[in-house]
Amino acid sequence: AQSVTQPDIHITVSEGASLELRCNYSYGATPYLFWYVQSPGQGLQLLLKYFSGDTLVQGIKGFEAEFKRSQSSFNLRKPSVHWSDAAEYFCAVAPANQAGTALIFGKGTTLSVSS
Amino acid sequence: GAGVSQSPSNKVTEKGKDVELRCDPISGHTALYWYRQSLGQGLEFLIYFQGNSAPDKSGLPSDRFSAERTGGSVSTLTIQRTQQEDSAVYLCASSLAWDRGFETQYFGPGTRLLVL
Repeated sequence: AQSVTQPDIHITVSEGASLELRCNYSYGATPYLFWYVQSPGQGLQLLLKYFSGDTLVQGIKGFEAEFKRSQSSFNLRKPSVHWSDAAEYFCAVAPANQAGTALIFGKGTTLSVSS
Repeated sequence: GAGVSQSPSNKVTEKGKDVELRCDPISGHTALYWYRQSLGQGLEFLIYFQGNSAPDKSGLPSDRFSAERTGGSVSTLTIQRTQQEDSAVYLCASSLAWDRGFETQYFGPGTRLLVL
């Protein structure tokens, strides 16, 4: 069965430090890959997505993610974290070239930012 | 432009009561999804509508859950005879038509349901 694993439930990073959130997926073929962010009381906002092509994807708010097929990973990174980045982050997948399919989400990683 | 809106933002109900949750998708979006976000289960797909096609109900957890979409726009998720395990945040998302290839899903703020 398809699944998404986010190994870290909670991460704390100092403001200004770099960040990497891990995501691994289990899928028959390379899926479409996404990172969403959810601030308290808010809906999900798309940070970035990977469909094909360049394996390093740039997103909003200074985030990037790298697709590594050999590791079935799609880790999210940011070189310098800001206090406003504290939120919950979700990795998600959808099967490529298949219409009308819902996203499969990981269980999320909560990011805390310390001053 | 306006995003996906959902109402109510919070709902408290008693066990056994029926509830209706509403979603207004982004104008022009023909695909609409319902997800449930609960502690321990993460985000789970419930149901999907695309245009006039029959909805994909494969994620509905029981026959107490149903959804409809009127006029290809507004959707209502109904939970009958609510149980305490139905307590969760119910998220709605919409996207452009799938015949253009995969389209990004945009999420509303959710309805937080508490069943006492």
